[in-house]
Parts: sequence; C-alpha cells; structure tokens
Amino acid sequence: SQQGEEDPQALSIQEGENATMNCSYKTSINNLQWYRQNSGRGLVHLILIRSNEREKHSGRLRVTLDTSKKSSSLLITASRAADTASYFCATDAGASGSRLTFGEGTQLTVNP
Amino acid sequence: DADVTQTPRNRITKTGKRIMLECSQTKGHDRMYWYRQDPGLGLRLIYYSFDVKDINKGEISDGYSVSRQAQAKFSLSLESAIPNQTALYFCATRGGTKNIQYFGAGTRLSVL
Repeated sequence: SQQGEEDPQALSIQEGENATMNCSYKTSINNLQWYRQNSGRGLVHLILIRSNEREKHSGRLRVTLDTSKKSSSLLITASRAADTASYFCATDAGASGSRLTFGEGTQLTVNP
Repeated sequence: DADVTQTPRNRITKTGKRIMLECSQTKGHDRMYWYRQDPGLGLRLIYYSFDVKDINKGEISDGYSVSRQAQAKFSLSLESAIPNQTALYFCATRGGTKNIQYFGAGTRLSVL
C-alpha cells in the first residue's frame, strides 16, 4: 500500500471555511511534503516539513507533523473557490533523499 | 515557457504499438522521474535517473523502458502498449538541497 495515505478521500466545504486533510505513513521519514494538483494538471509543491519540525506555516497553509503517530495534517484557512484541487502528501524516506512516495490524495471542493 | 515540458500532451494508440513520451527540462536538474497516475490513486514511480549514466527502476517498471539522452532529456517508452497502461503520465525533476520535485503538465495516454 502507499506510504502516505490521505484522509478524507474527498472534502466539500463552503468558501471561507477551513479545510483539514490528514496523511498517515508507515516508515521513518526525512521530511514530508504536500502537493496540489488542479484537475488533470501537474503537481505543484506547497510546503515541506522536516522530521524534526512539528509545525510550519506558509500563507493560509498550516502543516503539522507528529512523527510518533506517523501522521501529518494540512490546514487551509479561509478557503476560496480557487483552492479546489486534489492535495497529496509525499514522504521522503530514502537515505539519499532521492525518492518521494505519494499518497492517494484528497479531493477538495470549495463551493462559492 | 514551462521548466518541465512533456510531449505529447495527449495520445491515443492501439494495443501493441510502441509509444515514446518525451520530457525536457530547463531547470538544470540532475534528477528526473517518470510517474503514472490512475484515477483515484496517487502517483506511482516508474523509473528515475540521477544522471545520464544512472537509471533506476521504480515500483512499476514492467512494460516500460527509459532513455536519458542528456541531462535535460528523459524519455519513457512503452515497447508494446496494452490497455491497462492507459493513464496520466508525469515527468518530474529534482535539484538543489531540498527534495522538492517539479512536475510537467502530464501526458494523457489512452491505449485502445
């Protein structure tokens, strides 16, 4: 199974609400990253959190990492219709840092 | 112009045909990757390359081959396409000190 597994698979909210997506993984990691994919397009990197960090912010994004539970969450505050996309977590667990393992993604729909 | 360019963007082919998907990058990165994405699934790694002389199999390399013609070019071939290779294919690069990957816009391949 995937190293990263996201929950929920789909999330539908109203504009202005917060959206929270969760990711669980199985092995020790160097870092965990979140990517966004607009429908049928390439993935775009959003934020990276290292294994020795617990929380990171970037604009309206907040990522937390709990290595004891092997889980991470992505919070998008004050969501906008333009945030509608699929969001993927990816774990970097290799010694050389060369490979990422992607989860199955959360489809977020923000309704105007 | 896009930093990571994939051609073609869409391709329809028949079972048994040989297909080549091309990827070129202007980011000057050494590391390049090929992934496939199926509906409802995350990205699965097909092949990756650390430099022109270093090619590595990913988790689903059967039925695929690659060629790293230059630092900037990494091609994926399906020697004899089959319908279950119908998917969205992404090329990505990685460079610098962070394991952040930069994706092309994808190639949508349909094998009839």
